[in-house]
Amino acid sequence: DVVMTQSPLSLPVTLGQPASISCRSSQSLVHNDGNTYLNWLHQRPGQSPRRLIYEVSKRDSGVPDRFSGSGSGTHFTLKINRVEAEDVGVYYCMKPTHPSTFGQGTKLEIK
Amino acid sequence: EVQLVESGGGSAQPGGSLRLSCVASGFTFSSYWMHWVRQAPGKGLVWVSGIRNDGSDIRYADFVEGRFTISRDNAKNTLYLRMNSLRAEDAAVYFCATLAVADTGDYWGQGTLVTVSS
Repeated sequence: DVVMTQSPLSLPVTLGQPASISCRSSQSLVHNDGNTYLNWLHQRPGQSPRRLIYEVSKRDSGVPDRFSGSGSGTHFTLKINRVEAEDVGVYYCMKPTHPSTFGQGTKLEIK
Repeated sequence: EVQLVESGGGSAQPGGSLRLSCVASGFTFSSYWMHWVRQAPGKGLVWVSGIRNDGSDIRYADFVEGRFTISRDNAKNTLYLRMNSLRAEDAAVYFCATLAVADTGDYWGQGTLVTVSS
């Protein structure tokens, strides 16, 4: 099965500063249909996860444009260009195709 | 408003059973694959099982080892997970979710807590 590996696992960030999270998959996520399916989720403390990004770089409805996703093949990145207080929590990359697989999570906190 | 509401969690002894339910509203439940994802206390997300919109395709994580059964009733907009032979390591919050692949809705419930202890 594909293994998703995130780094860093802990990310202290100053308000207003950028943040970046890396996600690597053990196999290419290019699907048979030619698309690459890689999601980014955000889970605030005590809440359910919420999807931010799908298909590597497409933002879900209502997601602020300070969030962006990029990458291809086996290496993907989530960037927040100016961190706000509401961005704290854990970020997961995720392979949504079967079997669905999550990264370990990256905990973002404010310095 | 989209809602996924799980219930059925609680305390069980090792070797015991529980049945989780997830009632959906606000979207066309019968059009979506549905999944169960679990999260042990302080840990990450782990996919457990998924079922095709019409129930014709069912998948499980390897660690289920025949102990869990996923099912759905599209007439009742409800997803189920029957869990037998529970182990201590099955203790977690169990979420139902659509885990959408593309631009279809990605929806999650609030979760239901399962504890397993003697």
